[in-house]
Amino acid sequence: LAKTTQPISMDSYEGQEVNITCSHNNIATNDYITWYQQFPSQGPRFIIQGYKTKVTNEVASLFIPADRKSSTLSLPRVSLSDTAVYYCLVGAIYSGAGSYQLTFGKGTKLSVIP
Amino acid sequence: ETGVTQTPRHLVMGMTNKKSLKCEQHLGHNAMYWYKQSAKKPLELMFVYSLEERVENNSVPSRFSPECPNSSHLFLHLHTLQPEDSALYLCASSQGVSNEQFFGPGTRLTVL
Repeated sequence: LAKTTQPISMDSYEGQEVNITCSHNNIATNDYITWYQQFPSQGPRFIIQGYKTKVTNEVASLFIPADRKSSTLSLPRVSLSDTAVYYCLVGAIYSGAGSYQLTFGKGTKLSVIP
Repeated sequence: ETGVTQTPRHLVMGMTNKKSLKCEQHLGHNAMYWYKQSAKKPLELMFVYSLEERVENNSVPSRFSPECPNSSHLFLHLHTLQPEDSALYLCASSQGVSNEQFFGPGTRLTVL
């Protein structure tokens, strides 16, 4: 299993760019990297997914170096509503083979300060 | 109803009880998942159903028994649970495994 490591917490001021890095040294060839956001008393919400290089959508960017042993979620110009826990997920499911490997990190609690 | 719904939202049960958690997805997805989220551990994937076929996870105790009668419904049957099974149980669905998962709000389970 690809174990992931993230910072436990981060603070940022409103309007700043926030970068959260996840380490996954044992990532496998078939593994994808996915980031989720979770607010209290809610289920996680998908942010972005990638395999290599850079992926960008309307809310975030995901940077993955060539060796894929880490990934960085970048949130541009955060607001108070971005205060949440952010999870890095590494793995893939091989339903045909009857096995799966999905490893969530412990999450990074981001606090956005006015 | 839209998205992924879970019932009940809260459940308190004794160690000798039998109860079931229900999940329903209204997104037309073909994969569904059960997760456990406890205070001191990361999200743990318990079970995966793809096209209504269960993908085994041998590390989950047999006191948890999943059931997927069709692609829209997923159940988690509980019996003789332990206090350490108290947690938030989350259901999710996706179109194809390993793709974006949509989570329900969870069931907060307390085992006395």
